[in-house]
Amino acid sequence: GDSVTQMEGPVTLSEEACLTINCTYTATGYPSLFWYVQYPGEGLQLLLKATKADDKGSNKGFEATYRKETTSFHLEKGSVQVSDSAVYFCALSGYGGATNKLIFGTGTLLAVQP
Amino acid sequence: DTAVSQTPKYLVTQMGNDKSIKCEQNLGHDTMYWYKQDSKKFLKIMFSYNNKELIINETVPNRFSPKSPDKAHLNLHINSLELGDSAVYFCASSQEITGEKLFFGSGTQLSVL
Repeated sequence: GDSVTQMEGPVTLSEEACLTINCTYTATGYPSLFWYVQYPGEGLQLLLKATKADDKGSNKGFEATYRKETTSFHLEKGSVQVSDSAVYFCALSGYGGATNKLIFGTGTLLAVQP
Repeated sequence: DTAVSQTPKYLVTQMGNDKSIKCEQNLGHDTMYWYKQDSKKFLKIMFSYNNKELIINETVPNRFSPKSPDKAHLNLHINSLELGDSAVYFCASSQEITGEKLFFGSGTQLSVL
């Protein structure tokens, strides 16, 4: 079945460092891809999305490009802040029978130190 | 105003008890979900309802029974609680049935002792 694999955390960085969180997927068809973020004590929020190959999603300085040839959707940010500390989830929209459903990776904890 | 609200935030109970978690969304969305997040942060869909009708039912034990009295509410009732049910349960909603942009509640942490 469809699945998402993302790098294990925690990822610990100093403020202003570059961030890459790897995400690869397995899917039939052409899914949409997403990054969700979960701040401490909160529910997940959509961070960015890409709906077809070579699309780049971006938001709040984060970017990810839908790479069909490598089945990847890596999350990047050039300069992280302490406020970016959270758990990041890669996800794809898979077919759930009557409708699509989001399939999440296992999440990657990012801790940014001042 | 909270878009997706679920209660209670924390639930501590003994094995064998029956408990419910309530969820309400004021976004006017047609589709609502329950997700389970285990201690390793793995998030898995349990149920999805669209306009009060069940559309996704993953392989969840029969002890879990969702109920949607109207499209703004999706409650989760759990019978005969087991230790393995301990997790954080998230309610979510989306405008489209395709369920791509989800709005999550802040979660209910269930601890079964």
